[in-house]
Amino acid sequence: DSGVTQTPKHLITATGQRVTLRCSPRSGDLSVYWYQQSLDQGLQFLIQYYNGEERAKGNILERFSAQQFPDLHSELNLSSLELGDSALYFCASSLSWGARYEQYFGPGTRLTVT
Amino acid sequence: AQSVTQPDIHITVSEGASLELRCNYSYGATPYLFWYVQSPGQGLQLLLKYFSGDTLVQGIKGFEAEFKRSQSSFNLRKPSVHWSDAAEYFCAVVASGGSYIPTFGRGTSLIVHP
Repeated sequence: DSGVTQTPKHLITATGQRVTLRCSPRSGDLSVYWYQQSLDQGLQFLIQYYNGEERAKGNILERFSAQQFPDLHSELNLSSLELGDSALYFCASSLSWGARYEQYFGPGTRLTVT
Repeated sequence: AQSVTQPDIHITVSEGASLELRCNYSYGATPYLFWYVQSPGQGLQLLLKYFSGDTLVQGIKGFEAEFKRSQSSFNLRKPSVHWSDAAEYFCAVVASGGSYIPTFGRGTSLIVHP
């Protein structure tokens, strides 16, 4: 158990809908990362937050947005969902924001868009 | 932009045999290099990382990796594989000195025969 929790574990929704994925980092970790894992694209970094501020942005679509709240939990919002958004979405957390800080991954949320 | 190649999609070894998983990267300077393991239904776990210094890096679970600048490689090795090592292995690179934006390889699936 990494100490990172993600809810829900599974999500099934229809095209065009909007969903919110939630992540609670390990106690004491200030940085949160979001990743997407799909058969087509492999594992891709989406976005990073540190202490409430966006720190780095990867291959995140404009239909996707994220935020980190004062209690340090984070939410990833996916809107106007398409079939291709079906994937496993991981959250990870680390103590601080640099590459030298080990990331601890949650178990993921499996999103299925029908 | 950096890229990562894991040439082997699947590797099958017998329990007790040695293992080497290949990773080649493309980047203008020396990047930060990582190996992660993903067991079925789980998030990623960091095995080891290289930032600088000694090119032979020791990790958890008996794994090691060697950075070879001349070959742009960071291969993962284990002298004796256990059945519990069966998993998906990912190599990742991060540009040194910049924001944390990792690039992952497509992964190598390790199958262990008894």
